[in-house]
Amino acid sequence: AQTVTQSQPEMSVQEAETVTLSCTYDTSESNYYLFWYKQPPSRQMILVIRQEAYKQQNATENRFSVNFQKAAKSFSLKISDSQLGDTAMYFCAFMNGSNFGNEKLTFGTGTRLTIIP
Amino acid sequence: DSGVTQTPKHLITATGQRVTLRCSPRSGDLSVYWYQQSLDQGLQFLIQYYNGEERAKGNILERFSAQQFPDLHSELNLSSLELGDSALYFCASSVRSQGKGRNEQFFGPGTRLTVL
Repeated sequence: AQTVTQSQPEMSVQEAETVTLSCTYDTSESNYYLFWYKQPPSRQMILVIRQEAYKQQNATENRFSVNFQKAAKSFSLKISDSQLGDTAMYFCAFMNGSNFGNEKLTFGTGTRLTIIP
Repeated sequence: DSGVTQTPKHLITATGQRVTLRCSPRSGDLSVYWYQQSLDQGLQFLIQYYNGEERAKGNILERFSAQQFPDLHSELNLSSLELGDSALYFCASSVRSQGKGRNEQFFGPGTRLTVL
């Protein structure tokens, strides 16, 4: 079974600064996908970024980028020029890509990020 | 707005009761997933349906059941409710088909269930 670990329960950073959220995972699969989801106070789950394990290039989405280290099984999220609207709970998630029909997301416990004005 | 709708937004009921949560996926999405978010268990996968058929089961209790209808909307039925069933229940949908295509899951706003 896959496991996802987020070792930082809470983080805070000043507005406009850069922050990195950590995530490690454990799997024996070679084909998989990794995601970061954001959950603001509204409780809506919002997809932030997606990474395919077979791609060496790190995914980027505007101010959000990842550092994907496959050998180390590490998948960190970097938020540049942080904004007040980035205040949220951030979840790292794993999806097995090998089996059709077994595409559940396995989530970490989350990191609560607060952006300080 | 993800395009996934869930009703009701809030549900308050008593122990022993039965409730039905409803989900409409994004237009064109064939896969529907149900997740439970509780304080003690975190975010957990419950069950997946693809085009009307059950595809995968997670930590779903026997008291819980789900189905996906021909119009692709899905319902999660929770029966003999216990205090510990209080949680936020999410539905998500994906365009992924037959193991191919984009596999991002887009979440609905959730149904908050409170069991008293």
